[in-house]
Amino acid sequence: GAGVSQSPSNKVTEKGKDVELRCDPISGHTALYWYRQSLGQGLEFLIYFQGNSAPDKSGLPSDRFSAERTGGSVSTLTIQRTQQEDSAVYLCASSLVAAPGTVNEKLFFGSGTQLSVL
Amino acid sequence: DQQVKQNSPSLSVQEGRISILNCDYTNSMFDYFLWYKKYPAEGPTFLISISSIKDKNEDGRFTVFLNKSAKHLSLHIVPSQPGDSAVYFCAAWGLNTGNQFYFGTGTSLTVIP
Repeated sequence: GAGVSQSPSNKVTEKGKDVELRCDPISGHTALYWYRQSLGQGLEFLIYFQGNSAPDKSGLPSDRFSAERTGGSVSTLTIQRTQQEDSAVYLCASSLVAAPGTVNEKLFFGSGTQLSVL
Repeated sequence: DQQVKQNSPSLSVQEGRISILNCDYTNSMFDYFLWYKKYPAEGPTFLISISSIKDKNEDGRFTVFLNKSAKHLSLHIVPSQPGDSAVYFCAAWGLNTGNQFYFGTGTSLTVIP
């Protein structure tokens, strides 16, 4: 596709259930980020994938959160035993990787998944 | 801890006037600063950036100013247009601050026709 695609766009779930959020990055983009935005907060970094390197999971808030990226393309963010504080917009972004020491300023974001945990 | 801060949640400006959006940061290790614009139900889109070795970068109606000693940057939009109404996020990145971009909480700009 032309842009970063995320699904579902909205997800309502009950506390304690597991959810899976999907991100389809722009073809050829080797870098992929997951962020979330809770109400009144900034974008909070969750995880970063780059090519075949081990992902940077430093932003995952708890062990209930996990993510994988299959074949260097599609990524799935899984939240187990959801809690009400997990309610947020989950944003995925992809980019080409800039040269070492330079910044990937061109982050292309998807429209996000609005997760509501009741 | 919030390393990038946008202390004004909202701003209203008359069409044709200047919009000034402010951003403060705490980490002197940041090398690059960016502004993203977000419309409702869409993801943020890149607007303009500035390297820490510069103090100004201009792109059409948009200019970003960086004051490193004050750890402050601002985005100026001149002249403001109704289509500029959106949420603006300030972000920062550093070669030695990890892979992530650090984002502020955003400022909602409304340009009144």
